[in-house]
Amino acid sequence: DQQVKQNSPSLSVQEGRISILNCDYTNSMFDYFLWYKKYPAEGPTFLISISSIKDKNEDGRFTVFLNKSAKHLSLHIVPSQPGDSAVYFCAARRLNYGGSQGNLIFGKGTKLSVKP
Amino acid sequence: DAGITQSPRHKVTETGTPVTLRCHQTENHRYMYWYRQDPGHGLRLIHYSYGVKDTDKGEVSDGYSVSRSKTEDFLLTLESATSSQTSVYFCAISAVGRNTEAFFGQGTRLTVV
Repeated sequence: DQQVKQNSPSLSVQEGRISILNCDYTNSMFDYFLWYKKYPAEGPTFLISISSIKDKNEDGRFTVFLNKSAKHLSLHIVPSQPGDSAVYFCAARRLNYGGSQGNLIFGKGTKLSVKP
Repeated sequence: DAGITQSPRHKVTETGTPVTLRCHQTENHRYMYWYRQDPGHGLRLIHYSYGVKDTDKGEVSDGYSVSRSKTEDFLLTLESATSSQTSVYFCAISAVGRNTEAFFGQGTRLTVV
């Protein structure tokens, strides 16, 4: 039973345009959400995160939006660049009882291709 | 880059042989994780550790064991490798805190023939 879903396996975008990657989750106890980028033959690298008390977080060209009522988050990349071509993973975490951090649960990833 | 080193980076082994993958960190982070990445499955948690000698199972732990005798080292062992364990394995570390990200190593590509 997938708790974090990325329903689009791939996305193709023209350079300079906006890329929108989507992620849905089912567990209402998740309170911290992250996006990772992964190039071939490398480990995933942290990109941006958002706490459940916020609905938007921005870092340069990257913005993450969180819609808690819809259990949906999205990553916007503006403008998209060819170097952004990678697999993007959405991840979520909840606090355990007692306050210890839970484990990161990942989606299956979306492969973004940015064409020059 | 976070100080995480995985070894070996590549390994080919035969079915039925034991295999140990090593993760070494220099960040003194409390949490360490082993994930595997497979096409169509994303990243799945195998085992994790929340301190020295404190470990627990993830969602795909069958066939794997782990040990953490020092803060900096987290070992993943396949007691008797099977072809279904052919995968790319990633170690990750995380500090204590409510909103902390995990940092990943470069990965180990394991092929079981």
